[in-house]
Amino acid sequence: AQSVAQPEDQVNVAEGNPLTVKCTYSVSGNPYLFWYVQYPNRGLQFLLKYITGDNLVKGSYGFEAEFNKSQTSFHLKKPSALVSDSALYFCAVRDGWRTGFQKLVFGTGTRLLVSP
Amino acid sequence: DAGVTQSPTHLIKTRGQQVTLRCSPKSGHDTVSWYQQALGQGPQFIFQYYEEEERQRGNFPDRFSGHQFPNYSSELNVNALLLGDSALYLCASSLVDLGPDTQYFGPGTRLTVL
Repeated sequence: AQSVAQPEDQVNVAEGNPLTVKCTYSVSGNPYLFWYVQYPNRGLQFLLKYITGDNLVKGSYGFEAEFNKSQTSFHLKKPSALVSDSALYFCAVRDGWRTGFQKLVFGTGTRLLVSP
Repeated sequence: DAGVTQSPTHLIKTRGQQVTLRCSPKSGHDTVSWYQQALGQGPQFIFQYYEEEERQRGNFPDRFSGHQFPNYSSELNVNALLLGDSALYLCASSLVDLGPDTQYFGPGTRLTVL
């Protein structure tokens, strides 16, 4: 079965500094990887996805993610953090073989706190 | 605004009761998936509906059931509620031809079981 792991429960960074939220994956076949963000009392918002192609994926709100096949990682990054980036971040992988009837398998989440 | 709506926003039930949660998908979407997000955990897949049929199911007991209507909206029913069913229930809609790559999530329903 496909799975992802987020090794850090929380990441603290000062505003203006670069941020990294880590994710590693375990899949059979080609990985289809996603990052979502969740603000308090809100649903999940899509940030970006990796299907194939360039290892550096650019997404919403200035976020990007680096796919590394040799390290089976898909870390989320942003060059300069904002206080408003403080939220819960989830890495996810697509699971299932039948097109249209796949599901997302999520990690346990990483809370990002950006201090002023 | 992703366009997926869920109701109610919050509800409180007691053990043994039954609950129904509702979801309206984003306009044009034909597939609805339900996820359970317990406190401090990532969302876990419950089941998925397409053409009014359950197409796949996660590791949840039969107390969890669902329905999809001709207008693509969906309901999640949970019978014989347990304390452990307390969670945020998320609905996600997508297009079957594109799979979860196009999945949009609603704001969720917060269920508290006392």
